[in-house]
Amino acid sequence: KQEVTQIPAALSVPEGENLVLNCSFTDSAIYNLQWFRQDPGKGLTSLLLIQSSQREQTSGRLNASLDKSSGRSTLYIAASQPGDSATYLCAVTSGGGADGLTFGKGTHLIIQP
Amino acid sequence: NAGVTQTPKFQVLKTGQSMTLQCAQDMNHEYMSWYRQDPGMGLRLIHYSVGAGITDQGEVPNGYNVSRSTTEDFPLRLLSAAPSQTSVYFCASSFRQKGAPEAFFGQGTRLTVV
Repeated sequence: KQEVTQIPAALSVPEGENLVLNCSFTDSAIYNLQWFRQDPGKGLTSLLLIQSSQREQTSGRLNASLDKSSGRSTLYIAASQPGDSATYLCAVTSGGGADGLTFGKGTHLIIQP
Repeated sequence: NAGVTQTPKFQVLKTGQSMTLQCAQDMNHEYMSWYRQDPGMGLRLIHYSVGAGITDQGEVPNGYNVSRSTTEDFPLRLLSAAPSQTSVYFCASSFRQKGAPEAFFGQGTRLTVV
């Protein structure tokens, strides 16, 4: 059974810092990995998707990397802003993407103004 | 585009009552799925569907039924609600495309069973 772990569970940093969120998964036979953002009381917003054949994806100040063989992904946030405060979720799919997502429990991020 | 729409946003049920959580998407996505989110447990897959007429169980299917009669709709039914089903429910959809189908989520339904 696939298990996804996110470290740290919570993180608080001053505005302007660069930071890294970690995600690990136990079964390397994934189809893709997706990073989401969730604001309190809201749904999930997709940030980045990395296919199993890719090493990284970038969107603005966000960069996600994938090392499938070691079962790890990182989400790098550059020049953090208070608006980045949210819970960040990592999820993987297998089986061609048809059989749903397996989620980590998330990293609760607070950016101090 | 509306994307993935879930109704209702909030619901309070008494133990033993039944209800249906609605999920509709207007993106012509083949794949749809239901998750529940509980504190300390993260999001867990309840049921999923790869197309109209095809459904399968996820990690936590007990107490829930689904059907998929159209591509657009994927309702989740609670036949006899229990307090353990108090949770936030999310519906998601994605394309069945060669490559990596990106999942899109609805805004959630917050359900309380008393």
